[in-house]
Amino acid sequence: QQQVKQSPQSLIVQKGGISIINCAYENTAFDYFPWYQQFPGKGPALLIAIRPDVSEKKEGRFTISFNKSAKQFSLHIMDSQPGDSATYFCAASKADKLIFGTGTRLQVFP
Amino acid sequence: GAGVSQTPSNKVTEKGKYVELRCDPISGHTALYWYRQSLGQGPEFLIYFQGTGAADDSGLPNDRFFAVRPEGSVSTLKIQRTERGDSAVYLCASSNSRDTEAFFGQGTRLTVV
Repeated sequence: QQQVKQSPQSLIVQKGGISIINCAYENTAFDYFPWYQQFPGKGPALLIAIRPDVSEKKEGRFTISFNKSAKQFSLHIMDSQPGDSATYFCAASKADKLIFGTGTRLQVFP
Repeated sequence: GAGVSQTPSNKVTEKGKYVELRCDPISGHTALYWYRQSLGQGPEFLIYFQGTGAADDSGLPNDRFFAVRPEGSVSTLKIQRTERGDSAVYLCASSNSRDTEAFFGQGTRLTVV
């Protein structure tokens, strides 16, 4: 079954701290793993994405760590800022449709 | 346009009525997707178009849901005999091929009363 499990459901982090969100997938055919950020009333926006041929990808304060053997991947937000407060979704896909996790609501307090 | 445009932004309809939701993708994008997002959940895939044809409609929940993209650009999601359980945000996304980043619109919030 094509599922993507995401945790935690919610996360509270102090400004400047590290936010970590984890996802696990089942289908080994998935070959694209994006993370989306969604603000209230807006559509999801791509934050960063990785393919399974690399174990880590970093873009600014955002890093994806990918463990192919464990079928897990995670998002790390360094130096978290109040403006990062949003809902984050991991996803996985093979060729067309994205399968999304259930989301993590991140709140960053000053 | 600059991004994916969805209209209307909000739609309230009575149970049993027919609704149409419109998506204008980014110009030149050949791939178009519809997703449904219920409150507190991640988006759920409905249908994928490559050009004018529906390449994958496996996510449509039942035959009350139908989508078209007659000229390979604008798409319309059609829901017949709406039910209260259809209430959700309907998201449209487009990309310039099936293996590249999908850009999402702001969604249409459908409420069936």
